[in-house]
Amino acid sequence: EDQVTQSPEALRLQEGESSSLNCSYTVSGLRGLFWYRQDPGKGPEFLFTLYSAGEEKEKERLKATLTKKESFLHITAPKPEDSATYLCAVVPHRAGTALIFGKGTTLSVSS
Amino acid sequence: DVKVTQSSRYLVKRTGEKVFLECVQDMDHENMFWYRQDPGLGLRLIYFSYDVKMKEKGDIPEGYSVSREKKERFSLILESASTNQTSMYLCASSLTGGAGTEAFFGQGTRLTVV
Repeated sequence: EDQVTQSPEALRLQEGESSSLNCSYTVSGLRGLFWYRQDPGKGPEFLFTLYSAGEEKEKERLKATLTKKESFLHITAPKPEDSATYLCAVVPHRAGTALIFGKGTTLSVSS
Repeated sequence: DVKVTQSSRYLVKRTGEKVFLECVQDMDHENMFWYRQDPGLGLRLIYFSYDVKMKEKGDIPEGYSVSREKKERFSLILESASTNQTSMYLCASSLTGGAGTEAFFGQGTRLTVV
C-alpha cells in the first residue's frame, strides 16, 4: 500500500534556528514528490516538485531534497512568517492515481 | 498563474439537505480532485476526474457524488448532508503526465452541517 509519513507532527523553533522536516514514503514507483505550505483556513500552496533521487530544489529559506525512501525540507534561519503546516505528497507511476498526502508538520517560529 | 476557484469559502447546511460544492480552474488541466481535510486525518481523496465525464472513486466516496460536464468545472455533491460531513473541502487540478504534474488547490470551503 502506498503511504506517506511525515515527522515530526509539530515543531517549534526560535527565529534563526535551522531545522529539517522529514517525509518518508513507500510507493510502487514514484512519479513525483511534492511539498506544499498551508496556512490556517486556506488551501495548500505549491512549493516544490522532486522527481528523482539526488534532486534538490531551493526557494528562499527552504530547500527540498529527495532520496529513494524519503525527502527532507530544510529550513535555514527561519522567520515567524515561515510558520505554517508543511505537507508532503507523492504520485505513483501507475495511471489514474491522485496525490497521496502525509498528515503534515506544523511549524511554529517565534521571535 | 493557475487559478482554482471554489464557489464558497463558508457554508452552513442542515442535515438531509442536498449540497453542491463547485470548483472551476482556468488552466485547461485534465485532472481535477476533491479532498476533505480533518484535524489529525490529513487530506483524504473523495473523488477525482481525469477527463470530462470521467470519474474515479478515491478513499472515502461514500455519501458523495461528482459531476464533470465541462473540462474546467468539477462539482462535488453531498446527496443528503450529515453532521459527519462537516469538514474543510479542497478542490485541486493538475496536468497529466510529464513534468509539471503538481496539483494546484483552491482556497477551500469550510462546510458545517447542523
